[in-house]
Amino acid sequence: GIQVEQSPPDLILQEGANSTLRCNFSDSVNNLQWFHQNPWGQLINLFYIPSGTKQNGRLSATTVATERYSLLYISSSQTTDSGVYFCAVATPGRRALTFGSGTRLQVQP
Amino acid sequence: DAGVTQSPTHLIKTRGQQVTLRCSPISGHKSVSWYQQVLGQGPQFIFQYYEKEERGRGNFPDRFSARQFPNYSSELNVNALLLGDSALYLCASSPGGGGTGGQPQHFGDGTRLSIL
Repeated sequence: GIQVEQSPPDLILQEGANSTLRCNFSDSVNNLQWFHQNPWGQLINLFYIPSGTKQNGRLSATTVATERYSLLYISSSQTTDSGVYFCAVATPGRRALTFGSGTRLQVQP
Repeated sequence: DAGVTQSPTHLIKTRGQQVTLRCSPISGHKSVSWYQQVLGQGPQFIFQYYEKEERGRGNFPDRFSARQFPNYSSELNVNALLLGDSALYLCASSPGGGGTGGQPQHFGDGTRLSIL
């Protein structure tokens, strides 16, 4: 099956700093989503981005499907950004999302 | 509009018991998927259902089963519970078409199952 690798595994930032999270995948995809899992376990949709670039406030994401990677940018980080960020992909014809192991982000005041 | 709703939010069972978890998809969504998330790991796919039919199954034992009802809600059943079944069980819905390809999945808040 498809492999999904996220980096870095852990990240500690000071409030106000910027960061870039990376997701590499091993096969062609027609679904790529970024999620934020907060400390209460809620999995929140950030982006549905199988290709291209999207922005939502302080967050933006870019997927380069031909090179099999996606990037999530967080600008001016806040303590509420803390949690685990997951990248998940699906391949054409496959019924399931395959998740990476996540990036654990801690934003300190 | 309501998002994906799951019940119960928390559940404690003992080894050998059976459990049923419930999920209501977003209104208009016809596809429901179930995932298991063990502490410290990403969610793992268990099942997908579309129009009451199983359309995908992950690498889980036969103790795990599910079904989808005419109103598109779904139940996940786990028999003969083991300590290793302790996890957060997540339900996701998507508009449909029989697969996840090309459609975003929306997740509920999950059921946290603890096995003693």
